[in-house]
Amino acid sequence: GESVGLHLPTLSVQEGDNSIINCAYSNSASDYFIWYKQESGKGPQFIIDIRSNMDKRQGQRVTVLLNKTVKHLSLQIAATQPGDSAVYFCAENIGGNQFYFGTGTSLTVIP
Amino acid sequence: EAGVAQSPRYKIIEKRQSVAFWCNPISGHATLYWYQQILGQGPKLLIQFQNNGVVDDSQLPKDRFSAERLKGVDSTLKIQPAKLEDSAVYLCASSLSGSDTEAFFGQGTRLTVV
Repeated sequence: GESVGLHLPTLSVQEGDNSIINCAYSNSASDYFIWYKQESGKGPQFIIDIRSNMDKRQGQRVTVLLNKTVKHLSLQIAATQPGDSAVYFCAENIGGNQFYFGTGTSLTVIP
Repeated sequence: EAGVAQSPRYKIIEKRQSVAFWCNPISGHATLYWYQQILGQGPKLLIQFQNNGVVDDSQLPKDRFSAERLKGVDSTLKIQPAKLEDSAVYLCASSLSGSDTEAFFGQGTRLTVV
């Protein structure tokens, strides 16, 4: 499944499928980006980060892609599990370690 | 390693009352942030401290909101007087100093103004 964060804030995927969550950021000077996961009643939790001198970074089951030309980030989750159900935010660092968050995408994993 | 601690977890007040939130960042983290998260939205940065100095408070409604970090460790955020639209989760986060370091978040304080 795939979403555009600002226009389709809800994404539903079958357990075991891959998920793609998209984010458009606003500031071309942003040089550091983080994907956060937020479960109900909890604060955002770090998933993966990427610096502007990279276009791809992989973690455990997650991959972040950065396209600076169109100011676009995506988060790919492989073999999505029920525990992945949450709201996902991209955050951009505009400098001075100040993080600005996008609208978020709610991911629901269907068992 | 202990995370970012916030209290209280929940608070309900009437409009025009005052309220204060407390945050204890991760030990050694020089940078502390307060964010406001309205239901269904992403966190919005209110204020950023570096040690006991304010780095940015451009989005803090200073007519009613104030924050301090007097000794460069704990921080309090106060709202006086509260309005209905202040109902939100107030998140505290901290990070090591320097650029490109992740921010760690507390669980937040859910404020309801009635």
